[in-house]
Amino acid sequence: AQRVTQPEKLLSVFKGAPVELKCNYSYSGSPELFWYVQYSRQRLQLLLRHISRESIKGFTADLNKGETSFHLKKPFAQEEDSAMYYCALSERNSGYSTLTFGKGTMLLVSP
Amino acid sequence: DVKVTQSSRYLVKRTGEKVFLECVQDMDHENMFWYRQDPGLGLRLIYFSYDVKMKEKGDIPEGYSVSREKKERFSLILESASTNQTSMYLCASSLGGLDGSYEQYFGPGTRLTVT
Repeated sequence: AQRVTQPEKLLSVFKGAPVELKCNYSYSGSPELFWYVQYSRQRLQLLLRHISRESIKGFTADLNKGETSFHLKKPFAQEEDSAMYYCALSERNSGYSTLTFGKGTMLLVSP
Repeated sequence: DVKVTQSSRYLVKRTGEKVFLECVQDMDHENMFWYRQDPGLGLRLIYFSYDVKMKEKGDIPEGYSVSREKKERFSLILESASTNQTSMYLCASSLGGLDGSYEQYFGPGTRLTVT
């Protein structure tokens, strides 16, 4: 069975510090991984996906198949990055895909 | 812009009541999903639907049922609400299809309290 692990419930950093939110997965097939973010009082939204290999709001994430990891990184955290972050793994079937979410990491960026 | 709406932001029900949570999406998406979100547990999939009148169980379907009579609408039903179903319920949709996008778009959530 596929599984997504986010080992940290809470990550607290100061503004300007580097941030790394950890995500490890177990999946027998070829994984598709995503990071979703939920800001206070807002709906859950996609932050980035590994296949697009893009940087969104300064965040990047690289899929490391050897270590089965998909850590989210940002070199200089901003206060507006404070939010709940979820790593998710997609399982594809014919015509649809479901997501398995990790338990989430709350990022708090202090001034 | 994809819009997923949920019928209520807050709902308070009594134990044993039948509860309906409604979700509507306006982008002609094939797939729709219901999750519950609990602190420390993340998002857990209750049910999903990949077509009208089609439904599949997720990871925690016990105590829930769903209905999808129209493509744009996906309902979650608690036949007899219990206190352990107090939670935030999130609806999502994705385009789907063989060549479609699987990015899921979420509604604002319904916070259900069962007393």
